[in-house]
Amino acid sequence: ETGVTQSPTHLIKTRGQQVTLRCSSQSGHNTVSWYQQALGQGPQFIFQYYREEENGRGNFPPRFSGLQFPNYSSELNVNALELDDSALYLCASTRGRGGDYEQYFGPGTRLTVT
Amino acid sequence: GENVEQHPSTLSVQEGDSAVIKCTYSDSASNYFPWYKQELGKRPQLIIDIRSNVGEKKDQRIAVTLNKTAKHFSLHITETQPEDSAVYFCAASISGGYNKLIFGAGTRLAVHP
Repeated sequence: ETGVTQSPTHLIKTRGQQVTLRCSSQSGHNTVSWYQQALGQGPQFIFQYYREEENGRGNFPPRFSGLQFPNYSSELNVNALELDDSALYLCASTRGRGGDYEQYFGPGTRLTVT
Repeated sequence: GENVEQHPSTLSVQEGDSAVIKCTYSDSASNYFPWYKQELGKRPQLIIDIRSNVGEKKDQRIAVTLNKTAKHFSLHITETQPEDSAVYFCAASISGGYNKLIFGAGTRLAVHP
């Protein structure tokens, strides 16, 4: 098992609401990436945080936003939830922001939007 | 655009047989190719990776090969065991100075005793 943790494990929200998901990175890792994994699909990159700043973003609308804290933990915020936001949200920590560093995933947060 | 194609989508083998999963990527600047194993309800687990300066890498029963010219890479599992049953994802890094991985759609491997 990796040292990456996420909370909560499961979450049920109503369309239009807002949600905050949390991630603690592995010791020694300063970079966190967030991915969305829809059922039966591979993870899709949302964005990455390095030294408390967004350092790359995928094809997700601005209602997906994030934060990284001085201890390298991170939050993913999603506003105005839509039914299609229902998915497993994974964070991955790495020891650097370069493209060839290993990424270690947390257990994920299963979000259901009704 | 950025894309990773993965085949087959499902693979069924008998215990002890070999399994091969193949991926093709589109970004010629990709230089890092990890493979993840995801069991039902669990996190993707990094099982092996390869960088563009290497053509092959092996770790016990698993190996990965990379052909940069053809933009192909493959996962080979030998002497399969029932506990190898899972969904396997290939991924390729995207150039741009950050850790963006593009994942394939996954291969569901079933190993039958």
